[in-house]
Amino acid sequence: SQQGEEDPQALSIQEGENATMNCSYKTSINNLQWYRQNSGRGLVHLILIRSNEREKHSGRLRVTLDTSKKSSSLLITASRAADTASYFCATDAGAGGTSYGKLTFGQGTILTVHP
Amino acid sequence: DTGVSQNPRHKITKRGQNVTFRCDPISEHNRLYWYRQTLGQGPEFLTYFQNEAQLEKSRLLSDRFSAERPKGSFSTLEIQRTEQGDSAMYLCASSLGRARGNSPLHFGNGTRLTVT
Repeated sequence: SQQGEEDPQALSIQEGENATMNCSYKTSINNLQWYRQNSGRGLVHLILIRSNEREKHSGRLRVTLDTSKKSSSLLITASRAADTASYFCATDAGAGGTSYGKLTFGQGTILTVHP
Repeated sequence: DTGVSQNPRHKITKRGQNVTFRCDPISEHNRLYWYRQTLGQGPEFLTYFQNEAQLEKSRLLSDRFSAERPKGSFSTLEIQRTEQGDSAMYLCASSLGRARGNSPLHFGNGTRLTVT
């Protein structure tokens, strides 16, 4: 079953604008991860945020995590046409506090960046 | 770039036939995962290996599905007596698991199965 609910399902913006995607989940987690998928390809890991972290940056990416609201957001700044892809959040609930990589993915947000 | 490799990329088969997919993980990765993804959905967990041991199987993995990872290297996923509902992208991923660590998954490009 899909734990994550992502919002919006689709997002269309112009190059240079910022893109924000949101993810909500239901259970306690060890970490939350964001992945990107180009059409017909595998997923590429973007960023991982642990349950005791609130914000993390990587290049043009900024991720926030609010465990009290069971939600996360991914912000892509200064978007480029090459950022066009599907973006998925994934939660790692682990077992006994240990992460072993079993991820539960959301349905994803389709981002289109127009040149 | 020696990433995760999956073969074949595409497989078309008739209902009732058996199919086998192969995954070669990143060589130093001890964990290997199979996920299934249908159109418009996120991937769903199927099974997970730590070295050669299969440690967890999803309820999605019916008796017609079997996965192996002999010698803790490559893995195969076999589907027997395929059904049209098995049509999906089958994704393999690997990671370098640590005792309590948080390691991202490295995915292959998947095998797209079409059952006619």
